[in-house]
Amino acid sequence: AQTVTQSQPEMSVQEAETVTLSCTYDTSESNYYLFWYKQPPSRQMILVIRQEAYKQQNATENRFSVNFQKAAKSFSLKISDSQLGDTAMYFCAFMKRPGGTSYGKLTFGQGTILTVHP
Amino acid sequence: DTGVSQDPRHKITKRGQNVTFRCDPISEHNRLYWYRQTLGQGPEFLTYFQNEAQLEKSRLLSDRFSAERPKGSFSTLEIQRTEQGDSAMYLCASSVGVGIRLFFGSGTQLSVL
Repeated sequence: AQTVTQSQPEMSVQEAETVTLSCTYDTSESNYYLFWYKQPPSRQMILVIRQEAYKQQNATENRFSVNFQKAAKSFSLKISDSQLGDTAMYFCAFMKRPGGTSYGKLTFGQGTILTVHP
Repeated sequence: DTGVSQDPRHKITKRGQNVTFRCDPISEHNRLYWYRQTLGQGPEFLTYFQNEAQLEKSRLLSDRFSAERPKGSFSTLEIQRTEQGDSAMYLCASSVGVGIRLFFGSGTQLSVL
């Protein structure tokens, strides 16, 4: 079984500054995907960024980037130039490589509440 | 793209009552998932459909829970004899292809009094 741990229940950052959210995971799988999801007050879970475990290069999406350390089983999210709209709950999630009857089964961490202050 | 739609958005019920939630996935998405999220926690996987076939169920899905996707389009999640511990947000998601990217609905918030 996989576990995902987010050790920061809450974080805050000033607008335009940079913040890093931490995530560690545990798995015996070798092929998997890691995700960061954002859940604003509207409650809809929105994909922020995805990392394939077989790729050594860290994923980036505009202001969002990850630091993927496979050996350490660490997957942190860096948000640059923070904006007020980034205020939300952020979840780190793990997915075993799809196959057989197992698809889309995400294991989520406990979440980190991020508040961006003006 | 109308997104994943869930109904109702909120449901308040008394302990022991039955409740049913509906999920309409994105058109042409053949995979559909239900997750449960309790306050302050991340979502937990409940069950997964590929078309109309329910292929995986979590141990969290007790015998009071049943999910269907009769025609491979919308899905329903029913909880019988609700308990206070069932209070949570129930999220639906859908995907297509190999199912790596999930699109989530806004959830149904259930409160059992």
